[in-house]
Formats: sequence, C-alpha cells, structure tokens
Amino acid sequence: QVQLQESGPGLVKPSETLSLTCSVSGDSITGYYWSWIRQPAGKGLECIGRIYSSGSADYKPSLKSRVTMSVDTSKNHFSLRLTSVTAADTAVYYCARLAATGPSDKNAFDIWGRGTVVTVSS
Amino acid sequence: QTVVTQEPSFSVSPGGTVTLTCGLSSGSVSTSHHPSWYQQTPGQAPRTLMYRINIRSSGVPGRFSGSILGNKAALTITGAQADDESDYYCALYGGGGIWVFGGGTKLTVL
Repeated sequence: QVQLQESGPGLVKPSETLSLTCSVSGDSITGYYWSWIRQPAGKGLECIGRIYSSGSADYKPSLKSRVTMSVDTSKNHFSLRLTSVTAADTAVYYCARLAATGPSDKNAFDIWGRGTVVTVSS
Repeated sequence: QTVVTQEPSFSVSPGGTVTLTCGLSSGSVSTSHHPSWYQQTPGQAPRTLMYRINIRSSGVPGRFSGSILGNKAALTITGAQADDESDYYCALYGGGGIWVFGGGTKLTVL
C-alpha cells in the first residue's frame, strides 16, 4: 500500500528556510497531485499547496511569496521550502496525496503521512 | 478568499445520531466544491472518511454518511460510538488548485 514519510529538521531559526521532504513508497509519484498541509498546535488544518508529478504547482495565496514545492520522480519524493519563517510557521507538517486528476477522481486527500513537527525558534 | 465554516463543537450520546455541517462564509456548497471529510484523534494524522460528498473511504464504517443539506455539506454519524470522539474536518475546493479546510468540529460522545 502507498505510504508517505516526512523528513527534515525539527528546528528552524527565525528568518531562515524550512525544508521538508516527503518520500513516497508503494507506488509511483507519477500521475498524482501531492500536497503539504500543516497544523499549529491546538489549531486546524491548513493546505499550503499542491504539486503535480510534472512539477506544476499551486500555492495558498497568503503563502505564495514564501513557498516553493518541487518533485523528484527519480527519487519518488517531493519537497517543501518555506522561506523567512517566523514562530507562526511552527506546526506539524503533513504530506498527503491529493487524488484530483479529474472530475471522476476522489478530489480529496486520500493518503497522509504521519506528520513531522517543525518548531521555529532561535 | 474561501472561508469554510464548521461548528466548533458538538456532543452526542452513545448510540445517538449527529450531523456535522460544512459551509461557506459566502455562498452555497455544491458538488463543484468537492466536499471531503477527515477524522483526527489527538497526536494522529487525519484519516480520510468521505469524499465526493458521500463516498466512504475504504474501511470507514457504514454509520458514517455524507450529504448536501441545504447550502452545506454534512457528515452524519448514526449510532455514535465512543471511539467516534474525535476532531472532524471538512475540506472544500476553493479554486486555483487550492483546497481549504474548515476550522474543525470537536465531537464529544457522552
């Protein structure tokens, strides 16, 4: 079965860049959208954006100036970069598969990673 | 900007029925918003419950059902059980390739 695993530093200094990778196992990354979703402690879920296996990406407008997503099909993983982080970026970061390739698709996040905690602090 | 609304909290008795809703601050939820529902217990990743309004994900019990009620998407639990006590999130397609989550409903079963 398809499994996702987030990895990256758990502590990032303010003003620096947060970088995470999501490794996909059990299936090819090709032909799907992949997303990053975050959740501050005690708060709700926030979709940061999505990237297709071709590399085409869409970002939440309020984060667009700081976010870059990329995909490496040879390594079957995709990545998130978030620049100029502040304490407000402290959260659990989840990667997820977004099954949304057409009207007959699920159009939902159907597979989730376990999440990784990222703390922004000096 | 799409703002998705959910009840902050709800309570249901064991064996009872509860309907959680998912709306828009402006306008009605429709099939084009692709409503989906997720269940999350503390310390765990979300679990996909429902997609395309009323299709249950694999392994989701039949007591969970989805619908459009009036101008909102709805998740109904019929015959609630103790382990249904969780946070429930809906997500709607907000356009521009971005999905937007509601603030979540904390469901208590007591």
